[in-house]
Amino acid sequence: AQTVTQSQPEMSVQEAETVTLSCTYDTSESDYYLFWYKQPPSRQMILVIRQEAYKQQNATENRFSVNFQKAAKSFSLKISDSQLGDAAMYFCAYRSARRGGSQGNLIFGKGTKLSVKP
Amino acid sequence: DAGITQSPRHKVTETGTPVTLRCHQTENHRYMYWYRQDPGHGLRLIHYSYGVKDTDKGEVSDGYSVSRSKTEDFLLTLESATSSQTSVYFCAISESYGTGRPDTQYFGPGTRLTVL
Repeated sequence: AQTVTQSQPEMSVQEAETVTLSCTYDTSESDYYLFWYKQPPSRQMILVIRQEAYKQQNATENRFSVNFQKAAKSFSLKISDSQLGDAAMYFCAYRSARRGGSQGNLIFGKGTKLSVKP
Repeated sequence: DAGITQSPRHKVTETGTPVTLRCHQTENHRYMYWYRQDPGHGLRLIHYSYGVKDTDKGEVSDGYSVSRSKTEDFLLTLESATSSQTSVYFCAISESYGTGRPDTQYFGPGTRLTVL
């Protein structure tokens, strides 16, 4: 079974600085997807970024980028120029790419709470 | 934002009573999911659906049942609520774009359920 581990329960960053959130996963599959979701105090789950395992290029979305190391099974999220609105829980998630069976269910890490200091 | 609504948004009930949570989507997506979120556990899958009347169990399905009679609605039922089912429940949807594989999941706003 696949597992996702976020080893940093809490992180803090100064406004305008850069922070990196860590995520590791365990799988025997070669084809899968990885995601970062943000959950602000409103509780809404918001997709931040997604990475396909077959792509070597790291995904980027504006100030958010990932460092995907497939051999090491590592998927970290870098937030540049941190803003007060980035304060939230961040969840790393894994999804198999195979058909049938789990039908694409997400496996989540336990989350990292990010605080942004003004 | 994906058109997903959940009702009710908050509910307090007593142990032993039946509870039904509703997820409604306007996106006509094939796949729908129910997760629960508890402190220290992240989100865990309860049940999912891959089409009308097609459902299957997830990681934490005991004590829950689901139904999907229409593409747009996915109901989660607690037949006899227990205090251990106090949680925040999220619905999610995703589509399959020709590959037959579910694509990215988008989440509803969540329902906070308290069982006394």
